[in-house]
Amino acid sequence: ETGVTQTPRHLVMGMTNKKSLKCEQHLGHNAMYWYKQSAKKPLELMFVYNFKEQTENNSVPSRFSPECPNSSHLFLHLHTLQPEDSALYLCASSLQGQGVSNQPQHFGDGTRLSIL
Amino acid sequence: GENVEQHPSTLSVQEGDSAVIKCTYSDSASNYFPWYKQELGKGPQLIIDIRSNVGEKKDQRIAVTLNKTAKHFSLHITETQPEDSAVYFCAARASGGSYIPTFGRGTSLIVHP
Repeated sequence: ETGVTQTPRHLVMGMTNKKSLKCEQHLGHNAMYWYKQSAKKPLELMFVYNFKEQTENNSVPSRFSPECPNSSHLFLHLHTLQPEDSALYLCASSLQGQGVSNQPQHFGDGTRLSIL
Repeated sequence: GENVEQHPSTLSVQEGDSAVIKCTYSDSASNYFPWYKQELGKGPQLIIDIRSNVGEKKDQRIAVTLNKTAKHFSLHITETQPEDSAVYFCAARASGGSYIPTFGRGTSLIVHP
């Protein structure tokens, strides 16, 4: 139990479908992250939210749309994806801010996404 | 920005041997260095971390060393066991400015029984 829960664990979708990935953290953290992990590639940071405000968008295509309604929940809305978007999508959270330094990220177990 | 290099990409050892994974970083402002272990079908899990005011940290069979002058840090696993088989990631982060860590590309450790 990592304290960061991602659903669904596996998702198969066609290129024209719309689906959403969900992440929930029970650690009292204020920062949340989406990463993409592809085979034989380093972890790719996609989005960062701090206190519900987006602070990083790492040149991610608009077919990926994040949403952070509160500090405990993070969504990634998917539409018209491409086969190269097949990957493991990881959510992470951490505690950040003044007076708080060097706190690690805590990761969920990811959603394995396959685009047909 | 920060650049983290990790070696080797694959490491194969016999059970009971030691394993060493090395990382170098480029930004001298980096002062926090976590290590993550990712088992098959799971997300990365923090196993040990070190801050720049410390040169070495140990937790049972796992130790991490940091050389700030040379800008490199290493993970040492002694008496390896088959359950140590996983992908290990190093990361580096500076406390000021961006709090987002930069990850290495990962090392696939295989421990043969």
